[in-house]
Amino acid sequence: EVQLVESGGGLVQPGGSLRLSCAASGFTFSSYWMHWVRQAPGKGLMWVSHVNNDGGNTNYADSVRGRFTISRDNAKDTLYLQMNSLRVEDTAMYYCVRDNGGIDLWGQGTLVTVSS
Amino acid sequence: DVVLTQSPLSLPVTLGQPASISCRSSQSLVHRDGNTFLNWFQQRPGQSPRLLIYRVSNRDSGVPDRFSGSGSGTDFTLRISRVEAEDVGVYYCLQGTHGPPWTFGQGTKVEIK
Repeated sequence: EVQLVESGGGLVQPGGSLRLSCAASGFTFSSYWMHWVRQAPGKGLMWVSHVNNDGGNTNYADSVRGRFTISRDNAKDTLYLQMNSLRVEDTAMYYCVRDNGGIDLWGQGTLVTVSS
Repeated sequence: DVVLTQSPLSLPVTLGQPASISCRSSQSLVHRDGNTFLNWFQQRPGQSPRLLIYRVSNRDSGVPDRFSGSGSGTDFTLRISRVEAEDVGVYYCLQGTHGPPWTFGQGTKVEIK
C-alpha cells in the first residue's frame, strides 16, 4: 500500500525543538520530491518546506526559514523536519506530502502544539 | 508570490444539484514546460486532504466522475455535477508552477442545505 506515516509531534514550550519523521512505503521514495504542509487549528493549508529527490535542494516558507530544517534519508525511506525555536504560531497539524509532478499523496498528519 | 483566490468561501448546496468553485491566480500558471500545475484537493471533516484533480483537469484514480476540473492561464474551476452527502468538506486549489513557495487557495467549505 502506498502511504506516508508521520510521527514525532507533541506538546512543546515556546523556544523548544521537535523533530518530525515521515515513513514512506509502497513507492520508490528516492524518485520523488517531498514537502511538509501544515494546517493550524480551524485554518487552511500552508506550505512549509520542500526537498528534492537527493536532498541537495531545499526550500522554506519565509515564516520558518532559519528555524526549520528539512532532510531525507533515502536508504530509510524517511523524511524529516527539524523544528527549532518553536513559536505559539507554529501550532498545527503537520502533513508529509509527496510531489509527483504536483502534490498528490498526503500522510495522516502529526499534531504539534506549542504552548507554555 | 502567487496568490490563489477561491470563491465562494462557503457553498451551501442541495443534494443532487451541481456545485462550482472558482480559483483565480494572480499570475498565469502555465509553466515554461507547457504544463499547468494546478491541483484540487478535498478535505473531509477530520481527515487529511485528498487529491481530486491534477494539472487542471485530470481526475486522480478512484475519484468519482461527477468531479471535473477546467480552466487555463489564471482562471480555474472545480465542478461537482450532482452533490452527494459524502462531498461535504473543504476544497482547496494549489499551484506548483511558481514554487517555491507552493501556494494554496483559502479553501471553500461545501455543506448541504
